[in-house]
Amino acid sequence: ETGVTQTPRHLVMGMTNKKSLKCEQHLGHNAMYWYKQSAKKPLELMFVYSLEERVENNSVPSRFSPECPNSSHLFLHLHTLQPEDSALYLCASSPHLITGVEQYFGPGTRLTVT
Amino acid sequence: GQQVMQIPQYQHVQEGEDFTTYCNSSTTLSNIQWYKQRPGGHPVFLIQLVKSGEVKKQKRLTFQFGEAKKNSSLHITATQTTDVGTYFCAGHGFSGGYNKLIFGAGTRLAVHP
Repeated sequence: ETGVTQTPRHLVMGMTNKKSLKCEQHLGHNAMYWYKQSAKKPLELMFVYSLEERVENNSVPSRFSPECPNSSHLFLHLHTLQPEDSALYLCASSPHLITGVEQYFGPGTRLTVT
Repeated sequence: GQQVMQIPQYQHVQEGEDFTTYCNSSTTLSNIQWYKQRPGGHPVFLIQLVKSGEVKKQKRLTFQFGEAKKNSSLHITATQTTDVGTYFCAGHGFSGGYNKLIFGAGTRLAVHP
């Protein structure tokens, strides 16, 4: 499946580093999402964008900064992260935000903060 | 806030045995979706249920949506090793001004040959 791609697939960073995660969807969708997946916890919705406008910031710390330059691309800028931020970060897209549509997930970026 | 609880967290079965995972919401849902995540993979959409009491089948998988639209189940008949993975339910509820998908914690299925 190549509808939603994410880079890098794995990332190790120190707490003082700055890095960015990239997501690209090739499905013509209007909505894009960032989720955090930690072991034994539900998927946590972080940010939602619809037509490049942010519609949800789910009480996410400011060390995570999203950017959506167009409806096909979504970035997550990371700085001064904590070890508890280590997780799988999943990007997803859907045709729109209206209820009743499935979400298409990318393969994720496995982030380790040392 | 809205929560979606899923049980069990983990289940071992022998190949050929049946498996069921249950999903309960604290509020009425407009619809419910099911996703499967293979080990090392990402969630992949399986199905969506919309109507009260709806039952849908996909080969050996049977999905049900409760009459009150607050619970759902996924039943797999005669499991195979290819069924291994984590099954998530996700309900659409209204939150923060738009329809938000709220995921359960998932049930991890292990199938022993």
